[in-house]
Amino acid sequence: KNEVEQSPQNLTAQEGEFITINCSYSVGISALHWLQQHPGGGIVSLFMLSSGKKKHGRLIATINIQEKHSSLHITASHPRDSAVYICAVSVRGSGGGADGLTFGKGTHLIIQP
Amino acid sequence: DADVTQTPRNRITKTGKRIMLECSQTKGHDRMYWYRQDPGLGLRLIYYSFDVKDINKGEISDGYSVSRQAQAKFSLSLESAIPNQTALYFCATSDVLADSYNEQFFGPGTRLTVL
Repeated sequence: KNEVEQSPQNLTAQEGEFITINCSYSVGISALHWLQQHPGGGIVSLFMLSSGKKKHGRLIATINIQEKHSSLHITASHPRDSAVYICAVSVRGSGGGADGLTFGKGTHLIIQP
Repeated sequence: DADVTQTPRNRITKTGKRIMLECSQTKGHDRMYWYRQDPGLGLRLIYYSFDVKDINKGEISDGYSVSRQAQAKFSLSLESAIPNQTALYFCATSDVLADSYNEQFFGPGTRLTVL
């Protein structure tokens, strides 16, 4: 069973700060996902990656497969970035397709004006 | 219109009652999933289905059952609800063509309270 650990659990920062959220996992994966959950519950996928680095606007995600570690960075943070950020991994199942995701417990981020 | 919908969005029920949560999707995806989210525990997989004839148990299937009535519909049932099933429940879908990446699209969630 894959264990997914995130840190920190809670993070409060000032607007404009550079934010880093970390994720580590215990066994090999086919892909790592970063998800965002706003108050009210909705979950959206930010990134899927199996190697290297991806960038969408002010968000950057990196993964190091050898070290089983990923980071999510937010540059020039803004109060609207306040949300729970969730790391999840997918593993190819025995049926050839991917089973469900295994999730970290999430990082609750608050950006203060 | 939302691609993945869940009904009801909120439900309060009593211990011992039978409850059904429904999920519908218009994305045309074969794979559907049910997760529950608890504070401090994160999201955990209850059941998943790769097609109408393929149902699989997840990490925490005890106390739950599912029905895949059609490609677009996947229902979760609590045969006899108990208070520790109070949680936020999410349905999700993914495309078989996504294969190993398994990008998932989530419904808005159902908040269930069992008294």
